[in-house]
Amino acid sequence: GAVVSQHPSRVICKSGTSVKIECRSLDFQATTMFWYRQFPKQSLMLMATSNEGSKATYEQGVEKDKFLINHASLTLSTLTVTSAHPEDSSFYICSAGPSSYNSPLHFGNGTRLTVT
Amino acid sequence: AQSVTQLGSHVSVSEGALVLLRCNYSSSVPPYLFWYVQYPNQGLQLLLKYTSAATLVKGINGFEAEFKKSETSFHLTKPSAHMSDAAEYFCAVKDGGSNYKLTFGKGTLLTVNP
Repeated sequence: GAVVSQHPSRVICKSGTSVKIECRSLDFQATTMFWYRQFPKQSLMLMATSNEGSKATYEQGVEKDKFLINHASLTLSTLTVTSAHPEDSSFYICSAGPSSYNSPLHFGNGTRLTVT
Repeated sequence: AQSVTQLGSHVSVSEGALVLLRCNYSSSVPPYLFWYVQYPNQGLQLLLKYTSAATLVKGINGFEAEFKKSETSFHLTKPSAHMSDAAEYFCAVKDGGSNYKLTFGKGTLLTVNP
């Protein structure tokens, strides 16, 4: 089945630094990828929709200058958390799916970000 | 806009007992519905999906779900719980429009007691 690879699985960084998270679709091309954030014991919150070759679409309340998304190819999207603060500590998950509308999304294994 | 309500944030069953996780949806157009499972510190794994074909959908690990339009429900069941089923379960809806976004329920934590 479709596989989405997310890297790194865990990262610890200091406040004020930037962190990049990669999301790759391994066996299909993804014109659209999605980035979610999940707080402990809560559901997934959609942050943004990453569109290959164009600007990402951010959900209301998500700072686009803080969470930079780049989708430079049909198999790779990156999320960069800029000038990270402790409140950015969270579990970030990407997802993607084949370009058939009724196909399900497949998820990466997530990245646990801890900002100290 | 579509939405999903999962009744019960925590369900506890004994090993071998029936598992029933409830999901009700709201959508202005025929929906596509999904159940995902999440194990600790991992991403989501697709259990099953409903995409307007058969109303009874069979998934992996012995789970199945039935789409009931009249009740706007898509409850997840498994006849006999196993210890390895303990996880968080999310119901999600994708509407029939042109966007690919999923809307998730708040999740149900399933615990299985020996």
